[in-house]
Amino acid sequence: AQKVTQAQTEISVVEKEDVTLDCVYETRDTTYYLFWYKQPPSGELVFLIRRNSFDEQNEISGRYSWNFQKSTSSFNFTITASQVVDSAVYFCALNPYGNNRLAFGKGNQVVVIP
Amino acid sequence: GAGVSQSPRYKVAKRGQDVALRCDPISGHVSLFWYQQALGQGPEFLTYFQNEAQLDKSGLPSDRFFAERPEGSVSTLKIQRTQQEDSAVYLCASSLARGDINYGYTFGSGTRLTVV
Repeated sequence: AQKVTQAQTEISVVEKEDVTLDCVYETRDTTYYLFWYKQPPSGELVFLIRRNSFDEQNEISGRYSWNFQKSTSSFNFTITASQVVDSAVYFCALNPYGNNRLAFGKGNQVVVIP
Repeated sequence: GAGVSQSPRYKVAKRGQDVALRCDPISGHVSLFWYQQALGQGPEFLTYFQNEAQLDKSGLPSDRFFAERPEGSVSTLKIQRTQQEDSAVYLCASSLARGDINYGYTFGSGTRLTVV
């Protein structure tokens, strides 16, 4: 069984502060994919990143960065210099290789205060 | 189309009523998925199609839920005799991938179903 835990339910930050979202996962599979999605108020899930379990390199994309640590089963997400447009719910998800379903965490509601 | 389109955007149903939710995937996308998202929760997998074949329906919560994709493009999720616990956002996603390699899905904006 797959499980994804996002412990912080709601996080409020003042604009320009950094915010880090924690994601811890459980799986018995040795090969899997990890994802982060953003869900703005409009409702659709916007793909942010996919990482496979072989690749533990950290990644930076603009103000977004991800820290994958297989040893602690964590895939954390940092938004640097947050902006009001970053206000959304962010979901971490796990997909074992060859499986067709994504297992999502409960999400982190990020509120950026101007 | 440019994205995954779902209709209606909002649906209010009286308890016991049947509903049908439509998903238009991105043209050419082989795989199609339905997820159910309860308020304050992450999406939960319902079912998966590859072309017109429903390869996994293990996430459907009861036999009142039925999905089809007869021509391998548009899909309909039908819920019979709706109950209050069916109130949720129903998300559809499509993917170019054929199953083994997951390049990520494109999600629609969802249908918010409220059963009163």
